[in-house]
Amino acid sequence: GENVEQHPSTLSVQEGDSAVIKCTYSDSASNYFPWYKQELGKRPQLIIDIRSNVGEKKDQRIAVTLNKTAKHFSLHITETQPEDSAVYFCAAAFSGGYNKLIFGAGTRLAVHP
Amino acid sequence: DAGVIQSPRHEVTEMGQEVTLRCKPISGHNSLFWYRQTMMRGLELLIYFNNNVPIDDSGMPEDRFSAKMPNASFSTLKIQPSEPRDSAVYFCASSRGPEAGTITEQFFGPGTRLTVL
Repeated sequence: GENVEQHPSTLSVQEGDSAVIKCTYSDSASNYFPWYKQELGKRPQLIIDIRSNVGEKKDQRIAVTLNKTAKHFSLHITETQPEDSAVYFCAAAFSGGYNKLIFGAGTRLAVHP
Repeated sequence: DAGVIQSPRHEVTEMGQEVTLRCKPISGHNSLFWYRQTMMRGLELLIYFNNNVPIDDSGMPEDRFSAKMPNASFSTLKIQPSEPRDSAVYFCASSRGPEAGTITEQFFGPGTRLTVL
């Protein structure tokens, strides 16, 4: 069945370091891969997404890469700041699925000053 | 736009009581999703609707859970009877489309924190 695995479950970095979160999906028909950030007590919010016809996408300090062959995609945050501390969720969807997202288990990122 | 609206924001009830959670999607969005979030199980998709029609309810944990979408601007998730293990944050999300086969962003509501004593 559809499944998304996410690693690591927790990540602790020093301010200014880079952080990388990795996800693997099972359904080869998946073609949309969003990343959501959830701050404590708040709702998940989309921070970046990538579609299967693109290998990499950047938005300021965040970037996402996609390897369709290996069914891997990753979130890269550079020059981390304390306000990046949150839980990050990856997800996968395919176009025949009515926008249904399959979420990973989440990564709790802590950025220490 | 006000975004996805959920009510109540917090609900505390006793075991055995009926609980109704409400959601108003973003105007113009025709897909609506109900999620449950717990520390143990993460974000679980319970059910989703497209054009007010339930598409997949395989995530609904058991018959005590039911969901309706009587029109494009309103949906409910009902738990009857409620149990302590139903305690969680329940999110509603909405999106446009899919449009011409293109998946669009899901916008989440603020959530309802449910506590069943």
